[in-house]
Amino acid sequence: NAGVTQTPKFQVLKTGQSMTLQCAQDMNHEYMSWYRQDPGMGLRLIHYSVGAGITDQGEVPNGYNVSRSTTEDFPLRLLSAAPSQTSVYFCASRGEGAGNTIYFGEGSWLTVV
Amino acid sequence: AQRVTQPEKLLSVFKGAPVELKCNYSYSGSPELFWYVQYSRQRLQLLLRHISRESIKGFTADLNKGETSFHLKKPFAQEEDSAMYYCALSGREYGNKLVFGAGTILRVKS
Repeated sequence: NAGVTQTPKFQVLKTGQSMTLQCAQDMNHEYMSWYRQDPGMGLRLIHYSVGAGITDQGEVPNGYNVSRSTTEDFPLRLLSAAPSQTSVYFCASRGEGAGNTIYFGEGSWLTVV
Repeated sequence: AQRVTQPEKLLSVFKGAPVELKCNYSYSGSPELFWYVQYSRQRLQLLLRHISRESIKGFTADLNKGETSFHLKKPFAQEEDSAMYYCALSGREYGNKLVFGAGTILRVKS
């Protein structure tokens, strides 16, 4: 049981480059989300999805795109990387119902130079 | 709107001392409150949630709706408790999104 899997774990990008952070879960969870973690800011919600074909914006969506073509996958795309997007990114998933636990991936460390 | 406030960025205590990590929230409706812990360079793990009313690793937290607080407590801190602690809130009224506070670093000194 792999849980939530994120790739890559580390990435260095040049300003203006694009890239995709991959997230997959094998728990058949409907709810998936992406957070960024910055010192003193906690975890801020970027985008989330309540099921295949449905996505919505979180607190800090600018500069990021998501799609949810399958239940298992929820990739996060950086369209044109900026140094302000240097952060640690966490993907998370949860089964239906507010009482269910959210499971997090191991994180992706992204540096934009 | 959903909001979680953790007023302390860093809490430093000696081993054996009591610990209280503060969390206050703002929410219109019936929230669900959580505490997550993140050990150095690891993924976040659920520590406890208010609906379970359980004690995990000696930690407890009681939801106080009057004071809109969900403080995390432990009577005797241990060195292995050193970590980042996040308070989080979720609720049906906001699509069950999980919103986090800024986090508190707990350092337990020997």
